[in-house]
Amino acid sequence: EAGVAQSPRYKIIEKRQSVAFWCNPISGHATLYWYQQILGQGPKLLIQFQNNGVVDDSQLPKDRFSAERLKGVDSTLKIQPAKLEDSAVYLCASSLVGATNEKLFFGSGTQLSVL
Amino acid sequence: AQTVTQSQPEMSVQEAETVTLSCTYDTSESDYYLFWYKQPPSRQMILVIRQEAYKQQNATENRFSVNFQKAAKSFSLKISDSQLGDAAMYFCASAYGNKLVFGAGTILRVKS
Repeated sequence: EAGVAQSPRYKIIEKRQSVAFWCNPISGHATLYWYQQILGQGPKLLIQFQNNGVVDDSQLPKDRFSAERLKGVDSTLKIQPAKLEDSAVYLCASSLVGATNEKLFFGSGTQLSVL
Repeated sequence: AQTVTQSQPEMSVQEAETVTLSCTYDTSESDYYLFWYKQPPSRQMILVIRQEAYKQQNATENRFSVNFQKAAKSFSLKISDSQLGDAAMYFCASAYGNKLVFGAGTILRVKS
């Protein structure tokens, strides 16, 4: 079974530039999550999709971050413009139905460095 | 709001020995779930073990077991017969109403 795919693996940009991350979840998984993991901290949920609808985006900085899930499958997370404090690992995860007790399957993340 | 606290930034264990990672959480809910996830250097987080709050019996998965103390809101992870492959960052997490909250993590180093 193929896992959650993310790209790119690393990205270095200068502040005020824009960047986009891509995620392809496990086939058949209805729920997709984007997490931000700042060095030394646990992952923090940015946005959760159920199929192609947003379930929770309460912690997404909407003035600079945006996300979409195309046809309820792939997803893209964008930052425009980037700030120094956006340097982090961005993890994508998916689960079958999004139940509270469900196991999440994670990708290997994109490490973003903003200079 | 849910919070999860891991008070040990780093732990070390000798290969084949046992180590316990601590976790405390705070929630006002009566029905919730607790998890331990492992994050190796590859960054891909993997579920180690999970516990339903309404179950008194501690969860066990091979060499991994938990000590769930509901009244104390404590959820520690015990790794028996530690192996080099167990070296990773370990995150404790709690989930209620589709919200999963992670602690800051504990780095586990395994010495040969």
